[in-house]
Amino acid sequence: GQNIDQPTEMTATEGAIVQINCTYQTSGFNGLFWYQQHAGEAPTFLSYNVLDGLEEKGRFSSFLSRSKGYSYLLLKELQMKDSASYLCAVRERDSNYQLIWGAGTKLIIKP
Amino acid sequence: GAGVSQTPSNKVTEKGKYVELRCDPISGHTALYWYRQSLGQGPEFLIYFQGTGAADDSGLPNDRFFAVRPEGSVSTLKIQRTERGDSAVYLCASSPDLYNEQFFGPGTRLTVL
Repeated sequence: GQNIDQPTEMTATEGAIVQINCTYQTSGFNGLFWYQQHAGEAPTFLSYNVLDGLEEKGRFSSFLSRSKGYSYLLLKELQMKDSASYLCAVRERDSNYQLIWGAGTKLIIKP
Repeated sequence: GAGVSQTPSNKVTEKGKYVELRCDPISGHTALYWYRQSLGQGPEFLIYFQGTGAADDSGLPNDRFFAVRPEGSVSTLKIQRTERGDSAVYLCASSPDLYNEQFFGPGTRLTVL
């Protein structure tokens, strides 16, 4: 079956580092995406992983372990504008390559 | 360049009425997706178009929901006999093809009274 789990909410301090975890159970894994969504706005693409390992893009990095069904998004040098929801989505062969979405993690940044 | 646009941004209707939601994808994107999102949840897949055809409509909740993309560009999501449970933000996304990142529009907030 399909199941994607993320923490509901996290709090971090401006300038610090935060790691948002995502675990999944899917049929026919074909890639994992992270999106950022500010309140009342559309999701915007952050990163994509299909092979194991770390993908780095500026202040944001994403890690994938396919054998563990696990990914994390790492945000460094946090800024107030990073306050948003972070959505993990998995593409599945057995769902016609459609994205299966987690409920998102609301990240609150405090000064 | 222009991103994905959706109209209207907000729609308030009464239970039982018919509504149409419009999506203008990024020019040249052949793949188009409709999702709906409730507060505190991730997007829920509704339907996927490749070109003019609905390649996957397995997410449509029932036969009150229908979508078209007659010329392979603009798409319209149609909801008949709306119910209060249809209230949500309806998101449209497009991508160059099925395997690339999706670009989302700002959404239409539908409220059924």
